[in-house]
Amino acid sequence: AQTVTQSQPEMSVQEAETVTLSCTYDTSESDYYLFWYKQPPSRQMILVIRQEAYKQQNATENRFSVNFQKAAKSFSLKISDSQLGDAAMYFCAYSSISGGGADGLTFGKGTHLIIQP
Amino acid sequence: DTAVSQTPKYLVTQMGNDKSIKCEQNLGHDTMYWYKQDSKKFLKIMFSYNNKELIINETVPNRFSPKSPDKAHLNLHINSLELGDSAVYFCASSQGWQGINGYTFGSGTRLTVV
Repeated sequence: AQTVTQSQPEMSVQEAETVTLSCTYDTSESDYYLFWYKQPPSRQMILVIRQEAYKQQNATENRFSVNFQKAAKSFSLKISDSQLGDAAMYFCAYSSISGGGADGLTFGKGTHLIIQP
Repeated sequence: DTAVSQTPKYLVTQMGNDKSIKCEQNLGHDTMYWYKQDSKKFLKIMFSYNNKELIINETVPNRFSPKSPDKAHLNLHINSLELGDSAVYFCASSQGWQGINGYTFGSGTRLTVV
């Protein structure tokens, strides 16, 4: 079974600064998808960014980018120019391609991101 | 237009009761899920449902049962509620099992069992 580890329970960053959230995963598969989800206090789960394992190019969505290191099984999220609205829980998640629906998304335990004004 | 909608958003009930949470998606997705988020914010899959094929996470008690009247709906029925069932329950949908374009979540139902 796959596992996802987020080693930072909480991170704090000054507004307008850059912050990186770490995520590592364990899998024996060669192809899969990785995601970062944001959960603000409203509780809604919002997809931030996704990465396909067979693509070497790191995904980017505006101020959000990932550093995907397949060999190291690492998938970190970089948030540039942090804004107060970025304050939320961030979850790293893994989706198997070959495993079918049995596993769905496997989530890490989350990182609580605090933005200091 | 809400893509994945859940009702109710909050549910407070007594131990031993039976309750249902409804979920509907208007995205045309073929796969739907139920996830449970515990008090420590940990999210874990409970069920996956695709074209009438149901996959149940082995850790889910049989008091929990998903019911799908059609492709756009996946309701969650819970019998004999226990204190430990208190959590936030999320419905989600995707196109295909792998969720190539990501999974879309509902806004969650906070269930409190007293």
